[in-house]
Amino acid sequence: DAGVTQSPTHLIKTRGQQVTLRCSPKSGHDTVSWYQQALGQGPQFIFQYYEEEERQRGNFPDRFSGHQFPNYSSELNVNALLLGDSALYLCASSQNIDRAGNQPQHFGDGTRLSIL
Amino acid sequence: AQTVTQSQPEMSVQEAETVTLSCTYDTSESDYYLFWYKQPPSRQMILVIRQEAYKQQNATENRFSVNFQKAAKSFSLKISDSQLGDAAMYFCAYRRFTRGMRFGAGTRLTVKP
Repeated sequence: DAGVTQSPTHLIKTRGQQVTLRCSPKSGHDTVSWYQQALGQGPQFIFQYYEEEERQRGNFPDRFSGHQFPNYSSELNVNALLLGDSALYLCASSQNIDRAGNQPQHFGDGTRLSIL
Repeated sequence: AQTVTQSQPEMSVQEAETVTLSCTYDTSESDYYLFWYKQPPSRQMILVIRQEAYKQQNATENRFSVNFQKAAKSFSLKISDSQLGDAAMYFCAYRRFTRGMRFGAGTRLTVKP
């Protein structure tokens, strides 16, 4: 049973470029959340997708956008990259079987994005 | 907005000893979930233990247990019989319903042989 998979593992971009990160959720999971983890800090919530729509969004600018596909996989897009976007980007999946939220989120290994 | 605070940037414990990691949070809600995640150098966040706010009984998972004080908004993690493999960053997290989680800044745990 594959867990959450993310690609690529590492990525180097320059300022002003655009990047797309990908995530495949754990089998049976239908909800995908994205987090940004700067070096030495805890993860910060970017947004969450369910039923192919953005359900909740954290305090991130519109340069950060996403998409969820019918097979529940998801993409995170970042436009006009800034040096401050350098971070580990984590994808987490979970089941939306009830509103209680007691289903834990399972995380992937992340994509390390470096901006030069 | 809900905030999660981990006041111990680093902690150290001798192998086979017990260590407690602290976490406090701020919320005006009564129903929520609290989690402890472990992040080794391999980067993957691994769920250690979770606690439902409506349950008074503290959660336990093998060598890991929590001390949940709802009125004090405190959620500490106790690791008993520490092992070398426990060395990692530990993050406390808050979640309400199915929303995104809010994490603390983390505590780096070192285990000395």
